Amino acid sequence: LAKTTQPISMDSYEGQEVNITCSHNNIATNDYITWYQQFPSQGPRFIIQGYKTKVTNEVASLFIPADRKSSTLSLPRVSLSDTAVYYCLVGDPTGNNRKLIWGLGTSLAVNP
Amino acid sequence: GAVVSQHPSRVICKSGTSVKIECRSLDFQATTMFWYRQFPKQSLMLMATSNEGSKATYEQGVEKDKFLINHASLTLSTLTVTSAHPEDSSFYICSAGPTSANEQFFGPGTRLTVL
Repeated sequence: LAKTTQPISMDSYEGQEVNITCSHNNIATNDYITWYQQFPSQGPRFIIQGYKTKVTNEVASLFIPADRKSSTLSLPRVSLSDTAVYYCLVGDPTGNNRKLIWGLGTSLAVNP
Repeated sequence: GAVVSQHPSRVICKSGTSVKIECRSLDFQATTMFWYRQFPKQSLMLMATSNEGSKATYEQGVEKDKFLINHASLTLSTLTVTSAHPEDSSFYICSAGPTSANEQFFGPGTRLTVL
């Protein structure tokens, strides 16, 4: 299972775009990249998932370069409610064993 | 998205007692569910993989006799913490995913406090 590396923490202000980069040098061919958000004392919430290039949904964009050894989660115009821990995971979500290994995540603080 | 529930959300018990935590997939069937433990300010640690109709698969270092997992149906998995001790106090989270989807859906978690 690929190991991921993310910044421990980040600070931002309301209305700014936030980009969180994750390194996963040992990503395997069948691995997807998935990002989750977690608020204190709550279960994680799925944000976005991708395999390569760019993926966009209603809450975020995910940029993945051609070598797939890193990825960047982009949150447009953050608000105070986006203050949370963001986790980057890599793994094969389609296999019979779809367990994911969690790193420490990035603690994002959005300031007024 | 799919919904996963957990019950109870919070439990306080005396040392030596056993506590059962339920994880339910409310609008989909899940042949596999995952159980995690999370200590304050730390990441989620996978404890075991719960398989419907068969034995759970435990991660290294997790005592299977202490953390009993039963996946009795396609919508329910239970985790029983037997003879709980204060060091078992933690936030327990389950997850499940429809076989046709790529993402995992997480329950709201159960806060266990052992006195």
